[in-house]
Amino acid sequence: AQSVTQLDSQVPVFEEAPVELRCNYSSSVSVYLFWYVQYPNQGLQLLLKYLSGSTLVKGINGFEAEFNKSQTSFHLRKPSVHISDTAEYFCAVSEGNAGNMLTFGGGTRLMVKP
Amino acid sequence: NAGVMQNPRHLVRRRGQEARLRCSPMKGHSHVYWYRQLPEEGLKFMVYLQKENIIDESGMPKERFSAEFPKEGPSILRIQQVVRGDSAAYFCASSPGRASPAFFGQGTRLTVV
Repeated sequence: AQSVTQLDSQVPVFEEAPVELRCNYSSSVSVYLFWYVQYPNQGLQLLLKYLSGSTLVKGINGFEAEFNKSQTSFHLRKPSVHISDTAEYFCAVSEGNAGNMLTFGGGTRLMVKP
Repeated sequence: NAGVMQNPRHLVRRRGQEARLRCSPMKGHSHVYWYRQLPEEGLKFMVYLQKENIIDESGMPKERFSAEFPKEGPSILRIQQVVRGDSAAYFCASSPGRASPAFFGQGTRLTVV
């Protein structure tokens, strides 16, 4: 069975500072990896995904993530955050042919301060 | 092109009542997924449906919960005899194919009193 661990439940950061949100997964087969963002009282919006190919994936809103197979990690990064990036971020994984039957991490609340 | 539409956005039910949550997928999407988000937790997969068929219901509680996606109309998640522990946000997602990324609705927040 697969699992996803987001190591930080909350990450406070000042505006224009860089940020990294950590995600580790466990799975016995090949996986697809995703990051979603959830704004208050909203649904989830896909930020980026890794299916295959280059391990550095660029997404929307200036976010990027790097797939590290040996460390089973998929950390999300942004070089300079804005107040508007304040939201909950979820890492998710699906195995092989599981499509959109995703296993989510517990989420990381990014709080950007002025 | 409207996104995934869920209604109602908020639903209050007394213990023992039935809750019916609706999800209209995006135009052209025939695959629907339901997830539940308990307070302060991530989303948990419940069920995957494709028009008139349940493909995978491995995340559905064995009792009181059911889901359908008829040939015409929205997908319905039905919870019978609700209990306080059913209070959560229920999200629906849809995709045009099994391997295509899914788009999520805004969720239905169920409160059982």
